[in-house]
Amino acid sequence: GAGVSQSPRYKVAKRGQDVALRCDPISGHVSLFWYQQALGQGPEFLTYFQNEAQLDKSGLPSDRFFAERPEGSVSTLKIQPSEPRDSAVYFCASSLEGARAEEQYFGPGTRLTVT
Amino acid sequence: DAKTTQPNSMESNEEEPVHLPCNHSTISGTDYIHWYRQLPSQGPEYVIHGLTSNVNNRMASLAIAEDRKSSTLILHRATLRDAAVYYCILRGPTSGTYKYIFGTGTRLKVLA
Repeated sequence: GAGVSQSPRYKVAKRGQDVALRCDPISGHVSLFWYQQALGQGPEFLTYFQNEAQLDKSGLPSDRFFAERPEGSVSTLKIQPSEPRDSAVYFCASSLEGARAEEQYFGPGTRLTVT
Repeated sequence: DAKTTQPNSMESNEEEPVHLPCNHSTISGTDYIHWYRQLPSQGPEYVIHGLTSNVNNRMASLAIAEDRKSSTLILHRATLRDAAVYYCILRGPTSGTYKYIFGTGTRLKVLA
């Protein structure tokens, strides 16, 4: 079946531009996660949704970052406005329910470069 | 705070077994041990997970110490396609139950 998809795969933005990254989770998956991966580091947790409810946004680095999942399926991560330090790969992951014994399925990521 | 400690890098010859160690001395009784790997330019990929008993699946085996303070991921016959960064992650009260806290992982190099 279809896995997690993300778009765009690559995004180049100028400092100050607003950026929107889209995630399509696996159909029926209740839990959705966003991670940020800087070069040479492991992915870092940003935020977590259970259906449309954002239960944890403790990893969002600043109030320029905003995530939503209004109908409990597709999610969008927005950076308004973007800055060069936001350059990283952004991964979305989904899981069936979010239980601790459950695996997460990761998308291919969006590589964001802010100049 | 990754809560796990792994060597930065390891090398293995192709077709030989690989043992990737992980220390997690502060593990709680209800933390699951998950392993993921990340191939170049891809998202992390699930490998295996366990709680107390050793686990086997088609990709690998997971050996968990009796005191649960360490574990070892075993790739029985390394191939060139196994070259990746391997992450050992605790999932449960230690990390906040639902999210993964990745460390820097172990970069596995497989030699032909």
